[in-house]
Amino acid sequence: NAGVTQTPKFQVLKTGQSMTLQCAQDMNHEYMSWYRQDPGMGLRLIHYSVGAGITDQGEVPNGYNVSRSTTEDFPLRLLSAAPSQTSVYFCASSPTSAGETQYFGPGTRLLVL
Amino acid sequence: AQTVTQSQPEMSVQEAETVTLSCTYDTSESNYYLFWYKQPPSRQMILVIRQEAYKQQNATENRFSVNFQKAAKSFSLKISDSQLGDTAMYFCAFTFSGTYKYIFGTGTRLKVLA
Repeated sequence: NAGVTQTPKFQVLKTGQSMTLQCAQDMNHEYMSWYRQDPGMGLRLIHYSVGAGITDQGEVPNGYNVSRSTTEDFPLRLLSAAPSQTSVYFCASSPTSAGETQYFGPGTRLLVL
Repeated sequence: AQTVTQSQPEMSVQEAETVTLSCTYDTSESNYYLFWYKQPPSRQMILVIRQEAYKQQNATENRFSVNFQKAAKSFSLKISDSQLGDTAMYFCAFTFSGTYKYIFGTGTRLKVLA
């Protein structure tokens, strides 16, 4: 199993550009989530999904969209990138939501100029 | 609101020594779960240990163990016989039954010195 994969590993954007961060898992996990990691702030939840077709907002959802058309994929879209979205983004998955261990992807480092 | 607090931004320990990282949390829930994750320089998040709140016995994983004090809402991580490979950022995390959200602390950066 590849586990949780994320692409790209690093991306530079200009303010106002849009892009999609890809996340895929091959463990048949129902729960998937996106976090951003900023210095001194830990990991903050952006959006999450409890199954195909079901998504919800986390702590910091503004400026991001998600969709979940399949169990495997959970892309994160930046509609109009801003310098405040410069961060490291992690995708995670787990079998269920109730206290299970989350498995993380390797992260995507995003720089918005 | 649920919160997780890690009050030690940075720590260091000599190789082969023991170190304890602190974590406190605030919740009114009775059925919850606590985690310690390790993030080495590679950036990959790796589970170190998981504790279910209803279990009184402290979880252990080889050189890693926790001191779970439910009444005090404390969940510290003890690393015994520290190794250079333990150098990493350590995050404490919390979730509870009925939610799909995990809450992370701000992390403790641990450096193991040779």
